[in-house]
Amino acid sequence: AQSVAQPEDQVNVAEGNPLTVKCTYSVSGNPYLFWYVQYPNRGLQFLLKYITGDNLVKGSYGFEAEFNKSQTSFHLKKPSALVSDSALYFCAVRDLGGGYNKLIFGAGTRLAVHP
Amino acid sequence: KAGVTQTPRYLIKTRGQQVTLSCSPISGHRSVSWYQQTPGQGLQFLFEYFSETQRNKGNFPGRFSGRQFSNSRSEMNVSTLELGDSALYLCASSRTENTEAFFGQGTRLTVV
Repeated sequence: AQSVAQPEDQVNVAEGNPLTVKCTYSVSGNPYLFWYVQYPNRGLQFLLKYITGDNLVKGSYGFEAEFNKSQTSFHLKKPSALVSDSALYFCAVRDLGGGYNKLIFGAGTRLAVHP
Repeated sequence: KAGVTQTPRYLIKTRGQQVTLSCSPISGHRSVSWYQQTPGQGLQFLFEYFSETQRNKGNFPGRFSGRQFSNSRSEMNVSTLELGDSALYLCASSRTENTEAFFGQGTRLTVV
């Protein structure tokens, strides 16, 4: 069965510093991986995806993610954090046996960027 | 272009009642899926519709049902509401299996 793990409940980083939010996955076959962000009382906003191709994926708002097949990881990164990046981040994998867009989500990581 | 629209944004219902939530996908998107988000269980898949057919269903009781119309708009219904049904219900649409899903703002359901 497909699964996603986000090992950190919360990540704290100072504004201007680089940030990393971790994600590991377990899938059979090639993974379809996604990152979403959620602000309070809002839906999920798409940040980036990995389907195939380059291991470094660039997304919205300056975020990028590195796909590592040997470590089964898909960590989210940003070179310089902003206070406005503070939000809840979800990693997800598409369940390929479940139709077009059945996503399996990690538990989420709360990112707090301090001024 | 317009995003995924969910109505209403907020609902308060009493135990035992039923509720219907609505989702209008992005134009051209034929796949609509629904998720329940709670603090304890996180984001859980409810079901997915494509071309008016339910293709997949999550592990939820039969009180949870849905449908999709010919214009791809979707509704989900929860009957005999329980306190534990209080959650944020999210709808997502996507164009194909290789493209990302776009989410609506959600409907916050509170059961009292």
